Amino acid sequence: IAGITQAPTSQILAAGRRMTLRCTQDMRHNAMYWYRQDLGLGLRLIHYSNTAGTTGKGEVPDGYSVSRANTDDFPLTLASAVPSQTSVYFCASSEPGANVLTFGAGSRLTVL
Amino acid sequence: GQNIDQPTEMTATEGAIVQINCTYQTSGFNGLFWYQQHAGEAPTFLSYNVLDGLEEKGRFSSFLSRSKGYSYLLLKELQMKDSASYLCAVLDSNYQLIWGAGTKLIIKP
Repeated sequence: IAGITQAPTSQILAAGRRMTLRCTQDMRHNAMYWYRQDLGLGLRLIHYSNTAGTTGKGEVPDGYSVSRANTDDFPLTLASAVPSQTSVYFCASSEPGANVLTFGAGSRLTVL
Repeated sequence: GQNIDQPTEMTATEGAIVQINCTYQTSGFNGLFWYQQHAGEAPTFLSYNVLDGLEEKGRFSSFLSRSKGYSYLLLKELQMKDSASYLCAVLDSNYQLIWGAGTKLIIKP
């Protein structure tokens, strides 16, 4: 089934630990995004990539890093997790020239 | 700053009609989107408006007035499965999406 796969689905993490959230898409979309969703707030863009080999910072990039080695994969890394990074993280992608996003199922991260 | 406002929560009755409003103040405008998000799931695309007027798609319609910075999503013949959050998002002049916090719609029998 075409779409976006995120892993893990859910994770509890000790503060200070390093964590990578994985995102893979099989739709050959050029653009990919990482959002966080917190109660009472709109989706906030963390990082994005318009095409393989390029990345950019979104609204809330601090404490996060991404890489885009190929079209399909767009991992998000928390170098040293803090409790304020407790959130639901969504990976998304879009077709070239279009702005409609397809989202993954999300990764729920709890940092204690 | 950029701002998207929508009601936090609305309640409606099965079979009825509900209108969810969204007002926005953004730096430029390149389109407005509505997404549906069921609890614990990913957002899914519902509609896109870039010109003024009404776009109808089955039981769902979306309206846009660019001069008023206003949109609404109209849901007809409500079904229990329509219980979800509805997210309004605007594409600004830099082609960045600005998201509202979402409206949680509760459908009662």
